[in-house]
Amino acid sequence: GIQVEQSPPDLILQEGANSTLRCNFSDSVNNLQWFHQNPWGQLINLFYIPSGTKQNGRLSATTVATERYSLLYISSSQTTDSGVYFCAAPSVTDSWGKLQFGAGTQVVVTP
Amino acid sequence: ETGVTQSPTHLIKTRGQQVTLRCSSQSGHNTVSWYQQALGQGPQFIFQYYREEENGRGNFPPRFSGLQFPNYSSELNVNALELDDSALYLCASSSIFTEAFFGQGTRLTVV
Repeated sequence: GIQVEQSPPDLILQEGANSTLRCNFSDSVNNLQWFHQNPWGQLINLFYIPSGTKQNGRLSATTVATERYSLLYISSSQTTDSGVYFCAAPSVTDSWGKLQFGAGTQVVVTP
Repeated sequence: ETGVTQSPTHLIKTRGQQVTLRCSSQSGHNTVSWYQQALGQGPQFIFQYYREEENGRGNFPPRFSGLQFPNYSSELNVNALELDDSALYLCASSSIFTEAFFGQGTRLTVV
């Protein structure tokens, strides 16, 4: 099955800083999603981005499917951005609904 | 449009018991997937149900089973609970080849 690797595993930011999270995947994908997991465990959808670039407020994401990676940008970080960020994707050779998750990036934004 | 809802939110069971977790899919979605998330890890795919049939399964033993009902809601059943089954169980709903949305999860503790 597909392997999904995220980096860095941990990130400590001062409020207002910018950061980039990376997601590498080992196989071709039909879709890719970024999630933010809040302290209560709920996965909040950030982006559904099989290719190209999307922006939503201070967050943006880029997926380069041909090179098998995706990037999540956080600009002007706020304390509410703290939490774990996951990327997930199904391989084109796998069940279309089987999302393979990375291990996540734990982000802490300090005041 | 209603979101994905799971019940119960928390549950404590004794080793060897059986448990049933429930998930109501988002309006307009016909697919439900279940994931297990152990502490500090990314979610792991258990199985997916599409039109009331299992459509893909992860590396979980047969004591993990499920159902999908005509209204697309779903149940996850786990028999002969083990201590290692303690985890956050997440349900996701989607339509075919579309973005998945997750419920708030059920936190299961096996003692």
